[in-house]
Amino acid sequence: DGGITQSPKYLFRKEGQNVTLSCEQNLNHDAMYWYRQDPGQGLRLIYYSQIVNDFQKGDIAEGYSVSREKKESFPLTVTSAQKNPTAFYLCASSSSGRNTEQYFGPGTRLTVT
Amino acid sequence: KQEVTQIPAALSVPEGENLVLNCSFTDSAIYNLQWFRQDPGKGLTSLLLIQSSQREQTSGRLNASLDKSSGRSTLYIAASQPGDSATYLCAVFSSNTGKLIFGQGTTLQVKP
Repeated sequence: DGGITQSPKYLFRKEGQNVTLSCEQNLNHDAMYWYRQDPGQGLRLIYYSQIVNDFQKGDIAEGYSVSREKKESFPLTVTSAQKNPTAFYLCASSSSGRNTEQYFGPGTRLTVT
Repeated sequence: KQEVTQIPAALSVPEGENLVLNCSFTDSAIYNLQWFRQDPGKGLTSLLLIQSSQREQTSGRLNASLDKSSGRSTLYIAASQPGDSATYLCAVFSSNTGKLIFGQGTTLQVKP
């Protein structure tokens, strides 16, 4: 089955620790995205990548980092510099071009205490 | 700056009703508009994508319209069912920023 997988589904960390969220897609999509969702708010773009070995900051990139070493993988690291890391994180992908649909993974809920 | 607004924030209807969800956006410079469904604690499922040159798209009991000049889109759900209960999000792909901008969603409850 083609799709996007995110792991783990739930993640708990202590304040001050870095944590990496996994996102893998087998749709052969060029573009991949990371969004953050907070209760009662729409999704906000953290980072995106249009092609392997290239990525750009979104609207709320501070305290996050990414890599894109393989087409199918786009991991997100939440660093200790992120002031409010507790949130629901969603990964998405799309084929190249701006008129294409974005497809989303099931999400990872991160809780930092 | 592109802003997307969805009204109402929540809606409760009895089963069988036809209903309309509204989405408005401030900048008509868009490539497309997408409607998504999100169940609690889950990811987003794409329902319909309307290109900027199109007026509407249909999929089963769902029909989405787009009026780019007035900055509005509607999602029409025919003969609603309890299984339609979810949060519905609209998003526009801005041609100025190259990013998908989301509304805050409308949470729909369909009562049996």
